[in-house]
Amino acid sequence: KAGVTQTPRYLIKTRGQQVTLSCSPISGHRSVSWYQQTPGQGLQFLFEYFSETQRNKGNFPGRFSGRQFSNSRSEMNVSTLELGDSALYLCASSYQGANYGYTFGSGTRLTVV
Amino acid sequence: EDQVTQSPEALRLQEGESSSLNCSYTVSGLRGLFWYRQDPGKGPEFLFTLYSAGEEKEKERLKATLTKKESFLHITAPKPEDSATYLCAVQANTGNQFYFGTGTSLTVIP
Repeated sequence: KAGVTQTPRYLIKTRGQQVTLSCSPISGHRSVSWYQQTPGQGLQFLFEYFSETQRNKGNFPGRFSGRQFSNSRSEMNVSTLELGDSALYLCASSYQGANYGYTFGSGTRLTVV
Repeated sequence: EDQVTQSPEALRLQEGESSSLNCSYTVSGLRGLFWYRQDPGKGPEFLFTLYSAGEEKEKERLKATLTKKESFLHITAPKPEDSATYLCAVQANTGNQFYFGTGTSLTVIP
């Protein structure tokens, strides 16, 4: 069965621009979470969606937002990009919730110049 | 404040040389402790979930154990293909958020 698919794999944007990242979870998984991974900070939790509702949110500024569609696909948006937003953005899905174990996608590598 | 600390940051082992990775945590009520493996350029791959002190899980050359303050990932007779970054994460009883450590980068030399 297909895994978690994230698109695009790589992205280069300019400061001040906005970006939208996409995540297609494993078929049947209703929980989708997003993480930011940087060498110094490790994985930082952004938010979790379950059945189109945001269930939990990490400590990121309002420039970071997300949504989930009725087919469980999720998008993450970052507005007014800053150099510090350069990171690997990982999406993870789970059938019922994170405590059952995530399946991660391969991530989107965002570089802000 | 909930947090996770992994040690060492990096570990080099000869093939067949067993060792352990440590994950210490502080959390206001542990719902679960998770181990993941991450290869370069890929997302983390789920390995184990541990829920209560004294619990142990095994998979091939890996064995995870849990106490009230820390978890160990024991690697027995490692092979070069075990080289990866191993991540530990905890989930508190309050909410669904995970807290990840920064990982241990393991290199197994043939």
